[in-house]
Amino acid sequence: ETAVFQTPNYHVTQVGNEVSFNCKQTLGHDTMYWYKQDSKKLLKIMFSYNNKQLIVNETVPRRFSPQSSDKAHLNLRIKSVEPEDSAVYLCASSRGGWGAETLYFGSGTRLTVL
Amino acid sequence: GEQVEQRPPHLSVREGDSAVITCTYTDPNSYYFFWYKQEPGASLQLLMKVFSSTEINEGQGFTVLLNKKDKRLSLNLTAAHPGDSAAYFCAVSNQGGSAKLIFGEGTKLTVSS
Repeated sequence: ETAVFQTPNYHVTQVGNEVSFNCKQTLGHDTMYWYKQDSKKLLKIMFSYNNKQLIVNETVPRRFSPQSSDKAHLNLRIKSVEPEDSAVYLCASSRGGWGAETLYFGSGTRLTVL
Repeated sequence: GEQVEQRPPHLSVREGDSAVITCTYTDPNSYYFFWYKQEPGASLQLLMKVFSSTEINEGQGFTVLLNKKDKRLSLNLTAAHPGDSAAYFCAVSNQGGSAKLIFGEGTKLTVSS
């Protein structure tokens, strides 16, 4: 049963445009994440938030910015997309931010930059 | 930082055969180990979570082995069936806070009938 909802499912845009992806979880979890899955299926963490506070910020270009209005929502904005941003962006949540926590993933947003 | 290498990237087996996927990691402080399954068009779902204190963990139709000495984690599907066809990812984290899972590169498993 899906409990981490991502919109949109797909997005096609041109280089230089701004895009925003939304993520909402209904599990009551405190921690949310954005992962990037590239064309080779490699998953890399980008950001994580615990109760609206940024706790992990990996080395990503400054054009990426996460936005959290409350602990159930974590959006991702890309200010000026580049071709290398084409990927699937996966949102996830977990009960807490500890290493033992299970992550629950959304179905992803596939971004194509032309 | 931690690096996780997963092999093989692709694996094709016949129904009823076993399938083994292996991950090696570098950080000796790694403590929690995960296997996630991603079916085509679906999100990643947890298959099993193991802790460094337990070496053998059995699930329904599969076994997870952890060898801390060799820093090796493996997933063994004992009698694969077509429904097992999916991408499988290992992931590793340490005991500290700020859960930061490091994923392997994934294995695409195809089980033919």
